[in-house]
This record gives sequence, C-alpha cells and structure tokens, in this order.
Amino acid sequence: NAGVMQNPRHLVRRRGQEARLRCSPVKGHSHVYWYRQLPEEGLKFMVYLQKENIIDESGMPKERFSAEFPKEGPSILRIQQVVRGDSAAYFCASSPTTLGTGETGELFFGEGSRLTVL
Amino acid sequence: GDSVTQMEGPVTLSEEAFLTINCTYTATGYPSLFWYVQYPGEGLQLLLKATKADDKGSNKGFEATYRKETTSFHLEKGSVQVSDSAVYFCALRGSNYQLIWGAGTKLIIKP
Repeated sequence: NAGVMQNPRHLVRRRGQEARLRCSPVKGHSHVYWYRQLPEEGLKFMVYLQKENIIDESGMPKERFSAEFPKEGPSILRIQQVVRGDSAAYFCASSPTTLGTGETGELFFGEGSRLTVL
Repeated sequence: GDSVTQMEGPVTLSEEAFLTINCTYTATGYPSLFWYVQYPGEGLQLLLKATKADDKGSNKGFEATYRKETTSFHLEKGSVQVSDSAVYFCALRGSNYQLIWGAGTKLIIKP
C-alpha cells in the first residue's frame, strides 16, 4: 500500500506529557500538510512542509507545537506539554508538487492519529 | 480571501432518496473544486473534482458541476444508500498551495 501512513492511530497522554505523531507520505510525494480536526468540526490547517523546509506554519499554535519533515524519514508533529484541549484527530496529507506544473491539487490523506489527553 | 460555504448538517435522508449538498465559493481567478468524503473513523478521501467551469466531476454515483456563474459546486446523488453515511467536505484550491475547506456536512442515511 503506497498511501499516506500515519502512526500511531491512537495515542493517549496525560497532561504535561509529549505527543509525537508520525506521517510517511505517498512514495515520491515531497509536500506534507498537517490538519487538526476537533470532534464534529471541519479541518483546520496547521502546517505545510517540504523536505527540510517549513513553508507555512500559520495554523500552528505559537507554543508547544512543532513540525519537521527531514530529508530522510517521516514527517513529525510534536506537541509538548499536552493539555486537554489538544485532544483531537490529527491528519496528515501529501501531494507530489505544487500548482503550476499540471497538478490539480488533490491531497492524499492518511487515516489520522487520534490524540486523547487525560 | 478565498472561502467555501457548505450547507449545515446533519442531513438525514431515507435510503434511495435524492441527495443535494450545497456548496458555494468565493475565489479570485479559476480555482479547482473538490468534494472529499470522510467515513466514520477514517481519513478523508477524494470523491470527485472539477478543474474548470462547466466541468462535471463524478464518482460512485455522485456528481457535481462547476458553475462559475453561480460560484457553486453542489454535490448530488440520485439514490443514496446507507453506506453513503459520512461527512462530506467541499474544498477549493486557488492560486496557492492551500486547500480552502468548507465546514463539512454530515449525511445520515436511514434504512
């Protein structure tokens, strides 16, 4: 299966702990997006990364949240000192390239990582 | 800026009923338009898309036509099934990389 792989699917943390969510994009895709979805709500953009670069992190909270997409390995979304309000589903999506090269802009989504903060 | 507005849910229908989920957009230029579907407990999947005015996207019995004159991309299906119960998201992608999302419409189909 060459789709977007996210792990863990479910993660439980206590307040103050750290959460690390991993995303392996579709093979050959160099663009990764992270979204957060609260229960019964839509998707909220968090961050857009290319290999070794953060392109847009305008949706990321200023504190405790960070993301990376190293040259080798998966993209990581890291949440430090988690609070109950961080409980949500975190979705990763990938795309092969940006607009202007014939790509229509479809995103390929993983199945999400569901974080529960106790 | 660009935006997408979807009809609020939940939408509850009986099996074999006709479905319409409205989606309108505001954008400069000529965006690409998408419908994504999210089944319970899963990630989003692309359902259909249209890249220019008057294009009709279709998949799994669902259709949507890119109407530039009314800035709409309504999702339709002639006869829904229980298995169509999901959340449906309308989205557009304009001149930059970002997908602009509607809030989602939850669809409940009763047998």
